[in-house]
Amino acid sequence: DQQVKQNSPSLSVQEGRISILNCDYTNSMFDYFLWYKKYPAEGPTFLISISSIKDKNEDGRFTVFLNKSAKHLSLHIVPSQPGDSAVYFCAAASTYTGTASKLTFGTGTRLQVTL
Amino acid sequence: DAGVTQSPTHLIKTRGQQVTLRCSPKSGHDTVSWYQQALGQGPQFIFQYYEEEERQRGNFPDRFSGHQFPNYSSELNVNALLLGDSALYLCASRPRTGVWGYTFGSGTRLTVV
Repeated sequence: DQQVKQNSPSLSVQEGRISILNCDYTNSMFDYFLWYKKYPAEGPTFLISISSIKDKNEDGRFTVFLNKSAKHLSLHIVPSQPGDSAVYFCAAASTYTGTASKLTFGTGTRLQVTL
Repeated sequence: DAGVTQSPTHLIKTRGQQVTLRCSPKSGHDTVSWYQQALGQGPQFIFQYYEEEERQRGNFPDRFSGHQFPNYSSELNVNALLLGDSALYLCASRPRTGVWGYTFGSGTRLTVV
């Protein structure tokens, strides 16, 4: 049972344009969401996160939007740069346990930013 | 400031053997989690340690076990290796407070033949 889904395995975007990566989740207990970026031969690097009490969080070129009713979140990268080419993972967690919860990851979207 | 350090970086083992992977958390971090990433998949949570005890466990068999030492470093042990255990094993650390500051290591690539 895949509780976090990234239905687009890959995405190609021209440099300077907007990249939109999507993520859906099924578990209503998830209340914290994160995006990680992964380059080959490296571990995932934290990018941006959002709590379920918000619907938007922005950090420089990166913005994450959360639609709780649709159980959907998206990551917007504007403008896209060639160095953004990587695999992007959406991850979700539940803070209800009272301790730092495990992260449940999607299968990733490979973003390629072309010149 | 060194981040999360994992060793070895690559490993080849034979079916039925046992393996130990090691992780040193980022300075200031006392909680360590292990994840398995199979090819084409996202990381899957194995277990989490803090205060030298396993605190949370994912859906992995008992062949997977771990340990955390007083200096917060950790080991992941896998017994009776199967071909399906071939994967990238990632260690992540964070401080107990500041709940979501997970930092990942570069992983250990395990190949079982």
